[in-house]
Amino acid sequence: NAGVTQTPKFQVLKTGQSMTLQCAQDMNHNSMYWYRQDPGMGLRLIYYSASEGTTDKGEVPNGYNVSRLNKREFSLRLESAAPSQTSVYFCASSPTGGITDTQYFGPGTRLTVL
Amino acid sequence: AQSVTQLDSQVPVFEEAPVELRCNYSSSVSVYLFWYVQYPNQGLQLLLKYLSGSTLVKGINGFEAEFNKSQTSFHLRKPSVHISDTAEYFCAVSQSNTGKLIFGQGTTLQVKP
Repeated sequence: NAGVTQTPKFQVLKTGQSMTLQCAQDMNHNSMYWYRQDPGMGLRLIYYSASEGTTDKGEVPNGYNVSRLNKREFSLRLESAAPSQTSVYFCASSPTGGITDTQYFGPGTRLTVL
Repeated sequence: AQSVTQLDSQVPVFEEAPVELRCNYSSSVSVYLFWYVQYPNQGLQLLLKYLSGSTLVKGINGFEAEFNKSQTSFHLRKPSVHISDTAEYFCAVSQSNTGKLIFGQGTTLQVKP
């Protein structure tokens, strides 16, 4: 039982390049999330998917797109990377998306945009 | 709107000393509060959560937190810390109508030998 996995672990991009961050969970959870973590700002929600087939914007969605490929997988795409998107990205999942749910986090992707 | 404020960005403490990490929240409705821990170069994992009932919540690794409605606080405590407790700690509130988590800025606990 791997929990939440993310690929890649590290990535360096040049401004304007595109890339997709992959996330998968094997806990049969309905809800999945993408966060970014920046020093002194905690975690901020980029996008989330309450259930398979649905996605919604979070607090900081600009410059990102997501795809809920199936119940297990939720990808985050940067179409044209900018230095302001340098951050650590975390994927998480939760059983139902309910207000008392525990979220389970992946190990993160450290992205640098030059 | 709900929000969370962690009052200390860094807390240095010596091994075996007690520690308190402070968290205040703002909410006009019922709250569900969480503490997560992030060890170096890892993802976050749940320490404990308050949903209802007893205001003193016990979590993993000897941590506990007390929900104080009148002071809108949810401070995290441990009576005796270890070097292995060195990590970043996040307080979070579950948004009442969506279940999304709103995180505080984080507190880095530095345990010194």
